[in-house]
Amino acid sequence: QVQLKESGPGLVQPSETLSLTCTVSGFSLTSYSVSWVRQPSGKGPEWMGRMWYDGDTAYNSALKSRLSISRDTSKNQVFLKMNSLQTDDTGTYYCTRDSYNPFAYWGQGTLVTVSS
Amino acid sequence: DIVMTQSPFSLAVSEGEMVTINCKSSQSLLSSGNQKNYLAWYQQKPGQSPKLLIYYASTRQSGVPDRFIGSGSGTDFTLTISDVQAEDLADYYCLQHYSYPYTFGAGTKLELK
Repeated sequence: QVQLKESGPGLVQPSETLSLTCTVSGFSLTSYSVSWVRQPSGKGPEWMGRMWYDGDTAYNSALKSRLSISRDTSKNQVFLKMNSLQTDDTGTYYCTRDSYNPFAYWGQGTLVTVSS
Repeated sequence: DIVMTQSPFSLAVSEGEMVTINCKSSQSLLSSGNQKNYLAWYQQKPGQSPKLLIYYASTRQSGVPDRFIGSGSGTDFTLTISDVQAEDLADYYCLQHYSYPYTFGAGTKLELK
């Protein structure tokens, strides 16, 4: 059974760094890619970036200067780090499994609020 | 970046009606290599994660009822829901996964009339 679960702090101070973890089960990170997608409240989703099954990464150019995605295959985890957070980075952050059928599996999402 | 223009913004329907949601991309999503359109549709209910309904523009994801039909090619795509059920009331988004950065439409809210 494919599962993904996001974890991390719910509240981040402006200008600080967000660190999130996606823990997966039911599939191997060396066989499937995982993307991060975020969604401000009441708005459409935004693709942030992807960790490919081979360890390569791809980023949304709008976020590339602030974003880093990495993984630990032994722990079945994918990590997101984004620096210089501002209030418009507030929203729900999801990890999702990538394949020929894109984003067929999603985590429950984790709400991140950027506020002092 | 490819811009996805989705319409309408919202739609009020009665159960049993048929609805059509449109999505237009600023560039063709048709791959010359495999003749597939890299366009997907998602349904999102309040408080839930998006759910994949359709990929490659017209292929229904496993378990999705056959009243959900995707069509279109190139830059113009449509999601049709025939015989709308109360459980279909949700937000719907299109996604292009043809080129980076992948981009979503702004969404269509399906509401009860």
